[in-house]
Amino acid sequence: NAGVTQTPKFRVLKTGQSMTLLCAQDMNHEYMYWYRQDPGMGLRLIHYSVGEGTTAKGEVPDGYNVSRLKKQNFLLGLESAAPSQTSVYFCASSYKVSLTSYEQYFGPGTRLTVT
Amino acid sequence: EDQVTQSPEALRLQEGESSSLNCSYTVSGLRGLFWYRQDPGKGPEFLFTLYSAGEEKEKERLKATLTKKESFLHITAPKPEDSATYLCAVQASGSRLTFGEGTQLTVNP
Repeated sequence: NAGVTQTPKFRVLKTGQSMTLLCAQDMNHEYMYWYRQDPGMGLRLIHYSVGEGTTAKGEVPDGYNVSRLKKQNFLLGLESAAPSQTSVYFCASSYKVSLTSYEQYFGPGTRLTVT
Repeated sequence: EDQVTQSPEALRLQEGESSSLNCSYTVSGLRGLFWYRQDPGKGPEFLFTLYSAGEEKEKERLKATLTKKESFLHITAPKPEDSATYLCAVQASGSRLTFGEGTQLTVNP
């Protein structure tokens, strides 16, 4: 199993450009998440999905859109990139360990710089 | 609002010098407390889940414990390869996690 994979690993964008980050998982997990990680801020949830065809907003959703057309894939889009979106982006997926608890597994990250 | 505070921000140890990392949390209805390890340039790697006060889990030189207000990650006789940032997260409702900012551990040979 590859686990959670992310494409691309690095990207540099100019302000106003758009791009899509791809996350794929081969663990048949129902739940998927996009986080951003910034120095001094920890991991913050952008959007998440509780199943194919569903999406929901997290803590910092503004400026991002997501889609979950297939169970194994979760896409994160930036329609008009801004320097404030310079960050490391992590995708994660999770399964239900018990009635109320989940364990999340993370991808290797995408380092995005917006100039 | 769920809150997670980790201390210290950074910890430097000599090889073999045992210590503990702290994770204090404020949540309404804890469903799980998670510890992750993150190496530079990599994604967080899952270590432990703790569900209720009094629970303990061990993995090699690491032992995680949980009370009603905090969790400790005890590192016994650490080695340089234990150097990493250790993240704590809580799950209160749904499947979402709230993360602390992490403790950066450096173990010198």
